[in-house]
Amino acid sequence: GQNIDQPTEMTATEGAIVQINCTYQTSGFNGLFWYQQHAGEAPTFLSYNVLDGLEEKGRFSSFLSRSKGYSYLLLKELQMKDSASYLCAVTPGEGNYQLIWGAGTKLIIKP
Amino acid sequence: GAGVSQSPSNKVTEKGKDVELRCDPISGHTALYWYRQRLGQGLEFLIYFQGNSAPDKSGLPSDRFSAERTGESVSTLTIQRTQQEDSAVYLCASSPSLASTDTQYFGPGTRLTVL
Repeated sequence: GQNIDQPTEMTATEGAIVQINCTYQTSGFNGLFWYQQHAGEAPTFLSYNVLDGLEEKGRFSSFLSRSKGYSYLLLKELQMKDSASYLCAVTPGEGNYQLIWGAGTKLIIKP
Repeated sequence: GAGVSQSPSNKVTEKGKDVELRCDPISGHTALYWYRQRLGQGLEFLIYFQGNSAPDKSGLPSDRFSAERTGESVSTLTIQRTQQEDSAVYLCASSPSLASTDTQYFGPGTRLTVL
């Protein structure tokens, strides 16, 4: 079957660093996306990983290990506006164009 | 250019009525997706369209749900004989193609409430 696991909720302090983990078991793998979704809004693209390693983009970085079926999103210098849900999604590829979505991790930033 | 737009933004209907939701994708995007998101939950795939190819309807939860798209333009999602469990936000997304690397761009969603 297809399964993606993320923690339901995390809390962090403004200015700190937080790591949001995602593990997946899918029939195939052709890339992993991270999206950010503020309450009541549509998801917006953050990152895409298809090769192992760390991709850095400003305050946000995303890591992938295909052998472990594992990814994480690292947020540095947290700001209050980072309070949102973070969605992990896998594209199985091999002719399957449906993204498999995790339930999302709600990140709460406290002053 | 303009992003993905959806209408209406909110829809309240009575159980048993039919509803039609509309999505305008980004111009030039050949792939279009519909998702359902229940409160506090992740995205549930419903259907996707790619150009003039047959759509993948495997995510539609029942035969009360149907969707159409003409070419690479507007899509409509129709829910017949709505039930209370249909209450959710319905999100539409488009991407340049079905390539695995293509980012999906989401519309603001339609919040459907079935009384």
